[in-house]
Amino acid sequence: AQKVTQAQTEISVVEKEDVTLDCVYETRDTTYYLFWYKQPPSGELVFLIRRNSFDEQNEISGRYSWNFQKSTSSFNFTITASQVVDSAVYFCALFYGGSQGNLIFGKGTKLSVKP
Amino acid sequence: EPEVTQTPSHQVTQMGQEVILRCVPISNHLYFYWYRQILGQKVEFLVSFYNNEISEKSEIFDDQFSVERPDGSNFTLKIRSTKLEDSAMYFCASSPGLSYEQYFGPGTRLTVT
Repeated sequence: AQKVTQAQTEISVVEKEDVTLDCVYETRDTTYYLFWYKQPPSGELVFLIRRNSFDEQNEISGRYSWNFQKSTSSFNFTITASQVVDSAVYFCALFYGGSQGNLIFGKGTKLSVKP
Repeated sequence: EPEVTQTPSHQVTQMGQEVILRCVPISNHLYFYWYRQILGQKVEFLVSFYNNEISEKSEIFDDQFSVERPDGSNFTLKIRSTKLEDSAMYFCASSPGLSYEQYFGPGTRLTVT
């Protein structure tokens, strides 16, 4: 079965702190893709990153970085020097090889960044 | 930058009524999707659509639901006889390829009373 677990329901940090959002996935497929989406209070879903199962290189984009480890089936997301605008719900999602479009989302982690 | 658009932003309807939610995907995308998110919960897949037919649907997508691409730009979700539990945010998404990132519209909040 395919599954995405985001164990942290809510995280609260003070501005400029670093924060890591955890994502653990389950799939039997060898080919799969992992995603992170951001849902700000306005409600839309904003694509952040896509990573395929054959590429374990970590990625950095500005203050955002992602750590993909197949050995632990994890795809964690770190925000460095958090800002109030980072406050949102963050969803990790899995697209597995046998899918015809079904993105499987985790339950999300609500991040609150206080000034 | 191209984006997915959805109308209306908010729809209120009475139980048993039919609703049609509309979406305009990004123009060169080939795959289209509907998802829903009940308030405070995770995003759930409903259906994917490619080459004018349904590719995959979830258990939620029962006979009350249908999708259509009536012309070259619109993609619609119809709920024939709404129930209270259909109240949710409905997101349309599109992607250029099957495993590519899906770009989501702003959503339609459906309230069934």
